[in-house]
Amino acid sequence: QQPVQSPQAVILREGEDAVINCSSSKALYSVHWYRQKHGEAPIFLMILLKGGEQKGHDKISASFNEKKQQSSLYLTASQLSYSGTYFCGTLNAGNNRKLIWGLGTSLAVNP
Amino acid sequence: DADVTQTPRNRITKTGKRIMLECSQTKGHDRMYWYRQDPGLGLRLIYYSFDVKDINKGEISDGYSVSRQAQAKFSLSLESAIPNQTALYFCATSQGARTDTQYFGPGTRLTVL
Repeated sequence: QQPVQSPQAVILREGEDAVINCSSSKALYSVHWYRQKHGEAPIFLMILLKGGEQKGHDKISASFNEKKQQSSLYLTASQLSYSGTYFCGTLNAGNNRKLIWGLGTSLAVNP
Repeated sequence: DADVTQTPRNRITKTGKRIMLECSQTKGHDRMYWYRQDPGLGLRLIYYSFDVKDINKGEISDGYSVSRQAQAKFSLSLESAIPNQTALYFCATSQGARTDTQYFGPGTRLTVL
């Protein structure tokens, strides 16, 4: 039931792009994306609702494919400040009670 | 002022001691959560509460208890702390409804010796 994130880790140079994926075995109602800096609280980035919505946040955008039960987070022209761990949280279509979290993707952006 | 606060921010204690971590929120949210985070294991849910009278166990509730004193306050207790409860603990709140976005407190770093 826990969503699977890939890759587990990625290292970029400043200005490069990255994609982080989140896949579920269950039908999804929504997908939430968060970023966490080391030792700090996770910060909400965006939510994707069923319907194939694509949202953006500065140079970070995401898509949600209901049929494939997956979401992708796109980081374009990465900045040093993008470094951190990215978590997806999913709400299943049949049970909207609470988010189920992936294990996270560690992203390091180097100069 | 922060919307979700946690006290203490850091705590070092000894095996067998009783510990309470407190969480307060000014967001007016009904739902509150306690998570623990260990390296590589992501966010694991300990307990959650959808209102003052609705408290539920999460995936790792053994060794923990909670109290929802009011809509704004949710406390986590370790009755007899053990070293493998050393972790970073987060409280979170959410509004519920359609989106149910969670907002996290700053975390409490607990070390059990």
